Amino acid sequence: DGGITQSPKYLFRKEGQNVTLSCEQNLNHDAMYWYRQDPGQGLRLIYYSQIVNDFQKGDIAEGYSVSREKKESFPLTVTSAQKNPTAFYLCASSRRQGANTEAFFGQGTRLTVV
Amino acid sequence: GENVEQHPSTLSVQEGDSAVIKCTYSDSASNYFPWYKQELGKGPQLIIDIRSNVGEKKDQRIAVTLNKTAKHFSLHITETQPEDSAVYFCAAWGNYGQNFVFGPGTRLSVLP
Repeated sequence: DGGITQSPKYLFRKEGQNVTLSCEQNLNHDAMYWYRQDPGQGLRLIYYSQIVNDFQKGDIAEGYSVSREKKESFPLTVTSAQKNPTAFYLCASSRRQGANTEAFFGQGTRLTVV
Repeated sequence: GENVEQHPSTLSVQEGDSAVIKCTYSDSASNYFPWYKQELGKGPQLIIDIRSNVGEKKDQRIAVTLNKTAKHFSLHITETQPEDSAVYFCAAWGNYGQNFVFGPGTRLSVLP
């Protein structure tokens, strides 16, 4: 089955710890994205990558870091510098650009700071 | 950059009635407009999309219309069913930033 997989589904973090959220896709998509969703809110862009070994900051990149060493993988690290990390994190992928730019989402990771 | 507004923020309809959600965008260069449905605790799922060279697209009970001159597009759901209850997001492909810009979402409730 082709798709985009996020893990874990639920994640608990102690204050001051870094945590890494996994996102893997087997759709052969060039572009990948990370969004943050707070309760009752829309999707805010954290980081995106249009090609391997390249990524750009989105609207709320502070306190987050990413890497794109492989086309299939785009992990997101929530660092201790992120002051309010409790949220629902969504990863998406799409073809790089052009006419067929449907974005497909994973099922999300719910991060809670304890 | 691109800015997408969406109205209404909440919408309640009786089962069998129609629902309409409207979005406006700011970047006239945007050329792709998807709609997503998000159920509680899940990721958004693409339900229909439209490209700037088309004015309307239908898929069974769902349709999307696009007015490029006015820079707005709308989602129409006919014969609503309780399983249509969810949060719906519109989005625009922002050529300026090379990424998707999402509206704030509409919570649709279909009352039996």
